[in-house]
Amino acid sequence: KAGVTQTPRYLIKTRGQQVTLSCSPISGHRSVSWYQQTPGQGLQFLFEYFSETQRNKGNFPGRFSGRQFSNSRSEMNVSTLELGDSALYLCASSAGQGISGYTFGSGTRLTVV
Amino acid sequence: AQSVTQPDIHITVSEGASLELRCNYSYGATPYLFWYVQSPGQGLQLLLKYFSGDTLVQGIKGFEAEFKRSQSSFNLRKPSVHWSDAAEYFCAVGFSSNTGKLIFGQGTTLQVKP
Repeated sequence: KAGVTQTPRYLIKTRGQQVTLSCSPISGHRSVSWYQQTPGQGLQFLFEYFSETQRNKGNFPGRFSGRQFSNSRSEMNVSTLELGDSALYLCASSAGQGISGYTFGSGTRLTVV
Repeated sequence: AQSVTQPDIHITVSEGASLELRCNYSYGATPYLFWYVQSPGQGLQLLLKYFSGDTLVQGIKGFEAEFKRSQSSFNLRKPSVHWSDAAEYFCAVGFSSNTGKLIFGQGTTLQVKP
């Protein structure tokens, strides 16, 4: 059974650009969450989707957005990139809509220069 | 406010020695508790979780954790550490059954001496 797949693994972007990251959850999983991981702030919750609906959102500016498709795949977008957006972005999926043990992907390492 | 604290940023133990990683949370009710491990450049792997019931939970790789309500703690333990256990460990807490949102501690980096 394939795990959570995040693409691309590495990305380098320039300040002011926008970026889209992709997450394919485990087959049959309908819930997807996104986290940002930085050395200074640690792991911070970005948003959570279930059945194409955003159920929860973390404390991030509106430049961070996401969506989920009917096949449960999810994308997150960051517009007008800032140097501080450099981070490891982790996606996690779960079968149910409530609290459970999420399975994490390996992440996308975004570097903003 | 809901929060999770891992007091130890870095811990070094000798191979074969026992290990205890501390985790404390701030919340009025019993939260949902998790421990994850992260190897360099990798995602997070779930070691164990506690939702209710027996306060001593067993996980993968020989890890266990004990929930102590009176101390608001969920400490991770392993009786004998292996060199391959060197990694970063995160305690995470969920505060609602209706959402998968987790709040993570800052992490504890484990170094294992030969």
